[in-house]
Amino acid sequence: GAGVSQSPSNKVTEKGKDVELRCDPISGHTALYWYRQSLGQGLEFLIYFQGNSAPDKSGLPSDRFSAERTGGSVSTLTIQRTQQEDSAVYLCASSSQGFSTDTQYFGPGTRLTVL
Amino acid sequence: AQSVTQLDSHVSVSEGTPVLLRCNYSSSYSPSLFWYVQHPNKGLQLLLKYTSAATLVKGINGFEAEFKKSETSFHLTKPSAHMSDAAEYFCVVSQMMDSSYKLIFGSGTRLLVRP
Repeated sequence: GAGVSQSPSNKVTEKGKDVELRCDPISGHTALYWYRQSLGQGLEFLIYFQGNSAPDKSGLPSDRFSAERTGGSVSTLTIQRTQQEDSAVYLCASSSQGFSTDTQYFGPGTRLTVL
Repeated sequence: AQSVTQLDSHVSVSEGTPVLLRCNYSSSYSPSLFWYVQHPNKGLQLLLKYTSAATLVKGINGFEAEFKKSETSFHLTKPSAHMSDAAEYFCVVSQMMDSSYKLIFGSGTRLLVRP
């Protein structure tokens, strides 16, 4: 079956521009997660959705970052006024219900480069 | 809060020899632990997970890990390394949030397999 997909696979933008990253989770998965992988910080949690609501936004690094999920499916991560330190690989994952024992399935990621 | 420590940033083995990737965890309750693998320019793939059933967990591609509560360890092993095992490996613990769980990643161990 189809896995988690993300688009675009690569995004190059200029400092100060806004970007939108998209995630399509596995069909039927109610839990969706965003993570960021960067050289200096490793893999870090950004935000979690259960259905369309985000009970935990604690990982968002600043108010320039926001995310939404519609129809319990597709999610968009938006970064406003991008900065060079936002350059990283943004990973999306989904799991069936969000329990501790559930496997999180990861997409291939979006590599963001801010010039 | 939960955390994991991967004791080696790089491990180098010869093809056909055993692999040992070390991980220690910290958790205030019985944790769910995972090992993920990331091949170059590829997404994260689950190798195996521990969810308080059997302490010896078998995963894909001949990998296994043993949960040792007394040592707070979850080391990953494989009897015989293959060239295709060269990748980065992440030890991961699941941390409880309000109504779900997020993954806390170790810093990763890069495995090099020499011919």
